[in-house]
Amino acid sequence: AQSVSQHNHHVILSEAASLELGCNYSYGGTVNLFWYVQYPGQHLQLLLKYFSGDPLVKGIKGFEAEFIKSKFSFNLRKPSVQWSDTAEYFCAVNSPGGSQGNLIFGKGTKLSVKP
Amino acid sequence: ETGVTQSPTHLIKTRGQQVTLRCSSQSGHNTVSWYQQALGQGPQFIFQYYREEENGRGNFPPRFSGLQFPNYSSELNVNALELDDSALYLCASSSKSSTDTQYFGPGTRLTVL
Repeated sequence: AQSVSQHNHHVILSEAASLELGCNYSYGGTVNLFWYVQYPGQHLQLLLKYFSGDPLVKGIKGFEAEFIKSKFSFNLRKPSVQWSDTAEYFCAVNSPGGSQGNLIFGKGTKLSVKP
Repeated sequence: ETGVTQSPTHLIKTRGQQVTLRCSSQSGHNTVSWYQQALGQGPQFIFQYYREEENGRGNFPPRFSGLQFPNYSSELNVNALELDDSALYLCASSSKSSTDTQYFGPGTRLTVL
C-alpha cells in the first residue's frame, strides 16, 4: 500500500530563513505528487503538483519542490519564508488515472514563522 | 476560494446517531471525493463518486456511505456514530479529464459526544 512520510511535525523559523520540508513516499510505480497548504481557518489549497517532466516544480507564493525518483522524495522548499507562510503543509501522492484517484496524505508539517 | 462548498460547517451528534453531510462540487467538475481528517492527522480517503456511482473506496466500514446526484453534488452518510468519528470531513471535486488534481472545500467539523 502507498504511504507518505513527512519527517517534521512542527518547524519554527524566523522570517527570511530558508525552508525545506521533507516528504518521502512508498510506491514502486508511477506517481503523481502534490503539496497542499492549509492556512489557519482556511481550506486545503493546492501549492504545487508534479505529474511528469522537469522534476523541479514551481508553485504559488515562491514555493518549489524537487522530485527525486531514486530517493522516493518530493521535498518542498522556499528560499525566504514570510510570516504569512505560517500554515500546515501536507504532502500527498496518488497513482495517475487510477480507478480510485484517491490521494494518500502525509500527517502534515506545521510551520510557524516568527516575525 | 475553490468553488467547492460544504454544509453544515459544524455539527454535534451523540453516539449511535446518524449524520448526513453535503457537498457541492466546483462548476465543471463531475467527480467528488470524501476525506476524513482527524485532529493532528492528514486527510484519509473515504470514497469517490463519479457519474453517481462509487468509484473507489478507502478503508472505512460500510456504515460510511454516499450518494452523488445528477448535478454532481454529493452526500456523505454515517450511521451508528462512534466517538472516533469526530473529525473534519472534507469534500474534494475534480473533473474526470484531470482526475488527479482535486480541489477541496472548507470541510464540516463533526463532533460525536
